[in-house]
Amino acid sequence: AQSVTQLDSQVPVFEEAPVELRCNYSSSVSVYLFWYVQYPNQGLQLLLKYLSGSTLVKGINGFEAEFNKSQTSFHLRKPSVHISDTAEYFCAVSRNTDKLIFGTGTRLQVFP
Amino acid sequence: EAGVAQSPRYKIIEKRQSVAFWCNPISGHATLYWYQQILGQGPKLLIQFQNNGVVDDSQLPKDRFSAERLKGVDSTLKIQPAKLEDSAVYLCASSETSGRATDTQYFGPGTRLTVL
Repeated sequence: AQSVTQLDSQVPVFEEAPVELRCNYSSSVSVYLFWYVQYPNQGLQLLLKYLSGSTLVKGINGFEAEFNKSQTSFHLRKPSVHISDTAEYFCAVSRNTDKLIFGTGTRLQVFP
Repeated sequence: EAGVAQSPRYKIIEKRQSVAFWCNPISGHATLYWYQQILGQGPKLLIQFQNNGVVDDSQLPKDRFSAERLKGVDSTLKIQPAKLEDSAVYLCASSETSGRATDTQYFGPGTRLTVL
């Protein structure tokens, strides 16, 4: 069975600084990988997903993630964050017809 | 395009009472999901509908939870009787087609349930 580990529960960062949110997965077969964002009092919104092909995936709001099969990682990055990026970020994994398995989330707090 | 609607947004009940949540997915979306998100955890799938049929309810505590999706549109999730550990945010999501994991799921704002 697959699982997801988000190593950091909270990541504080100043505005305009770069940020990386870490995600590792475990699975014995090929998987699909996702990052979702949850703004306060809102539902989850898809940021980006890796299904196949290029290992560098670009998403909305300037975020990108890189799939690294050898390290079983799918870290999320943004070169310069804004106050509005303050939110909870969830990494998720799935196989083709299986349900999404979410990590425990990383709270990104951007300070002015 | 209207998003996924859920009601109520907040609900406080005492243990052993019953409660129901309602979800209206995006128009035309065939697949509907109910997730449970306990504080400090990621969402966990409770049940998945494809039109009005159940695709996956393996993690639904069937002794107390029930869900239905009449006419393949709106859905209700019910808990009877509620336990303290049911305190969570209940998220509804929908996707356009077959319900494969590669489909983008669109989430509603959730219902925050507190069981006292």
